[in-house]
Amino acid sequence: DGGITQSPKYLFRKEGQNVTLSCEQNLNHDAMYWYRQDPGQGLRLIYYSQIVNDFQKGDIAEGYSVSREKKESFPLTVTSAQKNPTAFYLCASRRVNEKLFFGSGTQLSVL
Amino acid sequence: AQSVTQLGSHVSVSEGALVLLRCNYSSSVPPYLFWYVQYPNQGLQLLLKYTTGATLVKGINGFEAEFKKSETSFHLTKPSAHMSDAAEYFCAVTHGGSNYKLTFGKGTLLTVNP
Repeated sequence: DGGITQSPKYLFRKEGQNVTLSCEQNLNHDAMYWYRQDPGQGLRLIYYSQIVNDFQKGDIAEGYSVSREKKESFPLTVTSAQKNPTAFYLCASRRVNEKLFFGSGTQLSVL
Repeated sequence: AQSVTQLGSHVSVSEGALVLLRCNYSSSVPPYLFWYVQYPNQGLQLLLKYTTGATLVKGINGFEAEFKKSETSFHLTKPSAHMSDAAEYFCAVTHGGSNYKLTFGKGTLLTVNP
């Protein structure tokens, strides 16, 4: 079955540590997205990528980094520069102008 | 630049009453507009979308939305609320062409009272 897989489901970060959230899709979608979900904030766009080896900053890119070396994969690194990383992170993908498919999300917490 | 404003972070209606969730957008080019719903402890799912053509679009579960360019609005309605409609609703905007950026509103939590 086609879909988006995010891992891990839960992740804990220590002070000063970089952590990477995985997002893989086998839907042959060109576009992939990372959103952060906080209560009362809705979904905020961190980064998105339209094609392999290219990505653009979203509205809250500071403290995050991404790569898009393969069409299927769009990992998100939460760096130590992100001072408030506790949130629910959603990965999504789609073909142009079609509906967005979401992963099941990763809950990141700070130890 | 594009943005979405959802008026009212929390809307409460009685069962059987009209549901109206407001969404206004800002876009420098013709927009494509979406409504997504997130039920408790579930992922997001698409309710309906407007790209081109008919400005009144119908979605799942009896919801519909009307694109009004003059008002830059895309309000979501349902004639009669059901208890199962209780969820959080997100409006989103993008546009055609090569820019895939998709921006969401802050969400509106819908409560349905018996």
